[in-house]
Amino acid sequence: DAGVTQSPTHLIKTRGQHVTLRCSPISGHKSVSWYQQVLGQGPQFIFQYYEKEERGRGNFPDRFSARQFPNYSSELNVNALLLGDSALYLCASSSYREGGLQETQYFGPGTRLLVL
Amino acid sequence: ELKVEQNPLFLSMQEGKNYTIYCNYSTTSDRLYWYRQDPGKSLESLFVLLSNGAVKQEGRLMASLDTKARLSTLHITAAVHDLSATYFCAASYGKLTFGQGTILTVHP
Repeated sequence: DAGVTQSPTHLIKTRGQHVTLRCSPISGHKSVSWYQQVLGQGPQFIFQYYEKEERGRGNFPDRFSARQFPNYSSELNVNALLLGDSALYLCASSSYREGGLQETQYFGPGTRLLVL
Repeated sequence: ELKVEQNPLFLSMQEGKNYTIYCNYSTTSDRLYWYRQDPGKSLESLFVLLSNGAVKQEGRLMASLDTKARLSTLHITAAVHDLSATYFCAASYGKLTFGQGTILTVHP
């Protein structure tokens, strides 16, 4: 079975531009989470979506938005890019057990974004 | 708010030696993860620990969880160069909260 896939793998943008990152979860997983990893730091939680609804949001500005589609794939959008948005963006997918307990999260290969 | 602290942040080991990385978390968590990250790569899942007293081993790595102390350890036995990487622990309560990472370098 395919794991979590992300596209593109690398991206170069300039300040002020907009970017869209894509993620396809593992088949059968209905939850997708997004994380930002700046060089030299641990990943930081941005968003979680489950069944197309936002389940959680980290401490990121409104320039960051996301959505989940009926096939459970997801997009992360970042507007008005800043130099500080340069990072590895990671997507993770998981399923949920009955009773609402989230199962293990599996990470994709990431999208490396460079903002010049 | 869940906070996760790892120590040490930097670890330089000689091949063949043993060492432990510590991971403390501040509030209730439903599971504890250990990940490995090589430079420029994504996160490779090493262990998922679900319950108090859980111990898992894979090769030269062994992870344990003490939920009462809110402490997890990653023990490295007889280190080899191939283990050089950055190791992260992450505590989960819905979202994952990561520690700062431990940069491990194993040298001859």
